[in-house]
Amino acid sequence: AQKVTQAQTEISVVEKEDVTLDCVYETRDTTYYLFWYKQPPSGELVFLIRRNSFDEQNEISGRYSWNFQKSTSSFNFTITASQVVDSAVYFCALSDSQTGANNLFFGTGTRLTVIP
Amino acid sequence: EPEVTQTPSHQVTQMGQEVILRCVPISNHLYFYWYRQILGQKVEFLVSFYNNEISEKSEIFDDQFSVERPDGSNFTLKIRSTKLEDSAMYFCASRVRTAYEQYFGPGTRLTVT
Repeated sequence: AQKVTQAQTEISVVEKEDVTLDCVYETRDTTYYLFWYKQPPSGELVFLIRRNSFDEQNEISGRYSWNFQKSTSSFNFTITASQVVDSAVYFCALSDSQTGANNLFFGTGTRLTVIP
Repeated sequence: EPEVTQTPSHQVTQMGQEVILRCVPISNHLYFYWYRQILGQKVEFLVSFYNNEISEKSEIFDDQFSVERPDGSNFTLKIRSTKLEDSAMYFCASRVRTAYEQYFGPGTRLTVT
């Protein structure tokens, strides 16, 4: 069965610090997809990134970067020079063939608070 | 930029009443989903819908729940007889056939009293 573990329940950082959010997943499939979503205080779920299991290239988008390592089944998310607007709950999610329509299986989320 | 919309934003209902939550997915999307999030907890899959039928449903999605796509734009979730434990945020999501990221609506907060 799929499993997504976000061991960090809450993290607080001071503005401009870097922060890494951890995500560890389990799946029996060789083809799967990993995602990060942001849930700001307003409550909506905002898609940030998708990673395919066959593409281990790390990705950078502005202050955001993602480190995908199949060897450790991890898909970590780093925010560089954090800002107050980054304060949100961040969810890691997995989709594989066990979910026929590729529904998402979410972790429990990490609440990030950036202190000005 | 196209987005998923949901109505109402907040619904208060009494236990045992029927509720219908409405969603308008992004127009060229073909897969539709409902998820729920009990306050402070993780997002849980309820049901997926493709080609006018349910593709998959979770254990949460029991006989009290149903989904429908009554026309070319709306996608609804009905709860026949609400229970206190149905109180949650309900999210609709959609995606295109060839990409797996799902785009979520703003959610409907359902409060059952």
